[in-house]
Amino acid sequence: AQSVAQPEDQVNVAEGNPLTVKCTYSVSGNPYLFWYVQYPNRGLQFLLKYITGDNLVKGSYGFEAEFNKSQTSFHLKKPSALVSDSALYFCAVRGARTGGYNKLIFGAGTRLAVHP
Amino acid sequence: DGGITQSPKYLFRKEGQNVTLSCEQNLNHDAMYWYRQDPGQGLRLIYYSQIVNDFQKGDIAEGYSVSREKKESFPLTVTSAQKNPTAFYLCASSKTYGAGVVTDTQYFGPGTRLTVL
Repeated sequence: AQSVAQPEDQVNVAEGNPLTVKCTYSVSGNPYLFWYVQYPNRGLQFLLKYITGDNLVKGSYGFEAEFNKSQTSFHLKKPSALVSDSALYFCAVRGARTGGYNKLIFGAGTRLAVHP
Repeated sequence: DGGITQSPKYLFRKEGQNVTLSCEQNLNHDAMYWYRQDPGQGLRLIYYSQIVNDFQKGDIAEGYSVSREKKESFPLTVTSAQKNPTAFYLCASSKTYGAGVVTDTQYFGPGTRLTVL
């Protein structure tokens, strides 16, 4: 079965410390992985994606994600957290093609709280 | 949110009433999508369209209807058959490649919050 898991409902980090938001996936074939961020009452903003190539992907706002095939993980990271990074983060994987469409499968989301 | 607009931002529906949510994009994307977001859950796909005049049901299409008469527009109607419509609705769009075989990164609009009175 194709799925995405974000094992932490919430992550708390002090401003200036590194942050990690975890994501694991299960999909047949090569995974296409995405991270999105959502601020309150707003739509999702695309941060970064992994399709192929380097395992470390750099994205918007200083975020990066590390693809680990053996651990089927795609954790989101940032070296130094800002209070303004506080938001809801979604990991997604593009599923196998069914019915003429590659569905985007979302995790339940992880709320990141960065404290001053 | 740039390039995709949704209106209204807030919408209130009375019991038994149909309401239509607007979604417009100027990104020249072929594919468009409607998702529903409930607290503590990921996004669930309602309908998608990969080309004008064609659309397909997603995972939770019951009680919803769509149309795709123009490339730029993909309105969603929440009908009275949808028994629990209170949610945040998100529209997205993406490029397609290979005659619609492959869909690229999805970009989202700002959302419409629908509340049943």
